[in-house]
Amino acid sequence: DTGVSQDPRHKITKRGQNVTFRCDPISEHNRLYWYRQTLGQGPEFLTYFQNEAQLEKSRLLSDRFSAERPKGSFSTLEIQRTEQGDSAMYLCASSLAGTSGNQETQYFGPGTRLLVL
Amino acid sequence: RKEVEQDPGPFNVPEGATVAFNCTYSNSASQSFFWYRQDCRKEPKLLMSVYSSGNEDGRFTAQLNRASQYISLLIRDSKLSDSATYLCVVTQHSSASKIIFGSGTRLSIRP
Repeated sequence: DTGVSQDPRHKITKRGQNVTFRCDPISEHNRLYWYRQTLGQGPEFLTYFQNEAQLEKSRLLSDRFSAERPKGSFSTLEIQRTEQGDSAMYLCASSLAGTSGNQETQYFGPGTRLLVL
Repeated sequence: RKEVEQDPGPFNVPEGATVAFNCTYSNSASQSFFWYRQDCRKEPKLLMSVYSSGNEDGRFTAQLNRASQYISLLIRDSKLSDSATYLCVVTQHSSASKIIFGSGTRLSIRP
């Protein structure tokens, strides 16, 4: 399967613990996005990388959240000192930036479902 | 007011029916528009892009009305497998943070 993969698929943690999620994008894709989705809502943008550079971060992304994409391939999203409100599905998407200036198609991974107790 | 609004549904229609959803957006600077489909506890998958002239893909037709700032999705001859949540997406090319998903419209097709 050459699609976007995420690991782990599920994570249960206690409040105050740190968690780290991994995303492996489609290999030739240079853009990588992280989203958060809660029940009954659409995905909310968190942050975005073009190659290894983190170009944008949402105001939703508190200082407890950090993301990296060190070699421009896989990415990690870390949440420190988790809170119950962090419980959500964390989705990763990747895309290939084109030259036409149009918004390219994003391909989503299966997500990591986080439950903070 | 949300930047992208959708009727949450659920729409419950019989197999073979035609169903239509609208999605309104508030930012007139929006440039690209998409419909995604999301099955329960799965990731969103692109259904179709929405072009200014309208576009059709099999039983699915998407329309864009820039003047009234809405996009629509029409599903003809609905199948049981069309049951899902349909998310509209509105973007501005200048900023990834301007990729805005609606909350989705739930569709349930009954036999």
